Amino acid sequence: GENVEQHPSTLSVQEGDSAVIKCTYSDSASNYFPWYKQELGKRPQLIIDIRSNVGEKKDQRIAVTLNKTAKHFSLHITETQPEDSAVYFCAASKRGGSYIPTFGRGTSLIVHP
Amino acid sequence: AAGVIQSPRHLIKEKRETATLKCYPIPRHDTVYWYQQGPGQDPQFLISFYEKMQSDKGSIPDRFSAQQFSDYHSELNMSSLELGDSALYFCASSPGLDRYEQYFGPGTRLTVT
Repeated sequence: GENVEQHPSTLSVQEGDSAVIKCTYSDSASNYFPWYKQELGKRPQLIIDIRSNVGEKKDQRIAVTLNKTAKHFSLHITETQPEDSAVYFCAASKRGGSYIPTFGRGTSLIVHP
Repeated sequence: AAGVIQSPRHLIKEKRETATLKCYPIPRHDTVYWYQQGPGQDPQFLISFYEKMQSDKGSIPDRFSAQQFSDYHSELNMSSLELGDSALYFCASSPGLDRYEQYFGPGTRLTVT
């Protein structure tokens, strides 16, 4: 089955710095890669996603890049703010009947004011 | 905009008891997913439904069963509860089997004592 590795497990930055989280996946059939932000005890919230036919996608301060050949994708957050502090999960999905995501282990991002 | 509704939000049960969790998807969403998230862990896919039929099965224990009803709401039935079943249980809905995006509900926190 699919295996998703996510690094780092913890990331501490100063407000205004950039943050980068990296993920690798193993199954070349995966074709959809969402990123979720989860605050403690809350639901995962989709913040950005990318499909396998696209190499990069940007939404304001957040961007995601995908390298299908190397099977890795990354989340970039610029101008970080304290409210960006949360756990971020990457996932790789492929179509079974439905689209089933395999999640990474998560990155705890801490943004210091 | 209407979101996914889950009930109850919190549930405390004793070992060997049963529990039923309910999920009401976003209107006009016909695909439902269930996830289990232990403390400090990533969400684990349990099972999904499309048009009242099971679509995919993940790491759902045999003690658990689920179904989707004619109004598209779904219920997760958990029997012979164990301490290790204590977790956050999320339901997510999608507007179609062939749609990538999933929208998560607020979750049910199950505590087994």
